[in-house]
Amino acid sequence: EAQVTQNPRYLITVTGKKLTVTCSQNMNHEYMSWYRQDPGLGLRQIYYSMNVEVTDKGDVPEGYKVSRKEKRNFPLILESPSPNQTSLYFCASRRQGAGYTFGSGTRLTVV
Amino acid sequence: GENVEQHPSTLSVQEGDSAVIKCTYSDSASNYFPWYKQELGKGPQLIIDIRSNVGEKKDQRIAVTLNKTAKHFSLHITETQPEDSAVYFCAATSGGGADGLTFGKGTHLIIQP
Repeated sequence: EAQVTQNPRYLITVTGKKLTVTCSQNMNHEYMSWYRQDPGLGLRQIYYSMNVEVTDKGDVPEGYKVSRKEKRNFPLILESPSPNQTSLYFCASRRQGAGYTFGSGTRLTVV
Repeated sequence: GENVEQHPSTLSVQEGDSAVIKCTYSDSASNYFPWYKQELGKGPQLIIDIRSNVGEKKDQRIAVTLNKTAKHFSLHITETQPEDSAVYFCAATSGGGADGLTFGKGTHLIIQP
């Protein structure tokens, strides 16, 4: 089944403790992206990648890092999480010229 | 950058009636306009999209129209059913070398039985 898989689905962590949210797609898509979803603010892009070793900032990149060492994987790294990064995170992938396929989401709470 | 406005934020319609959600965009270079449906606890799912060289596209009960001159596009759902209840997002992008897909803030569609 063609899908985007992100883990974990739920995560509660403490301020300052580094964490990684993994994302993997099995559709051989070139583009991958991370979004955060907050009430009243909709979906905002954090980072995106157009191919292996090519990443760029989205609208809200502060406090996040990404890497694209393999085409299928695009992990999101929070080096020092803060409470304002409490949110619902989505990974997505697409081929050139098409729309995004989203993962099921990761609900992150930073206390 | 691109700015996408979406209205209304909440829409309640009787089952069987039609629903229309409207979006406007600011960047005249935008050329790809997808619509997503998000059900509770799930990620957004692409339901229909339209490109700037097309004025209208239909897929069974859903259709999207695009007016490039006015920079607005709309989602039309006919003969609404309870399973249409969800949050709908429009988006726009100019593509090119970047990946600037900008989303509207969403419309919560409620289908009343």
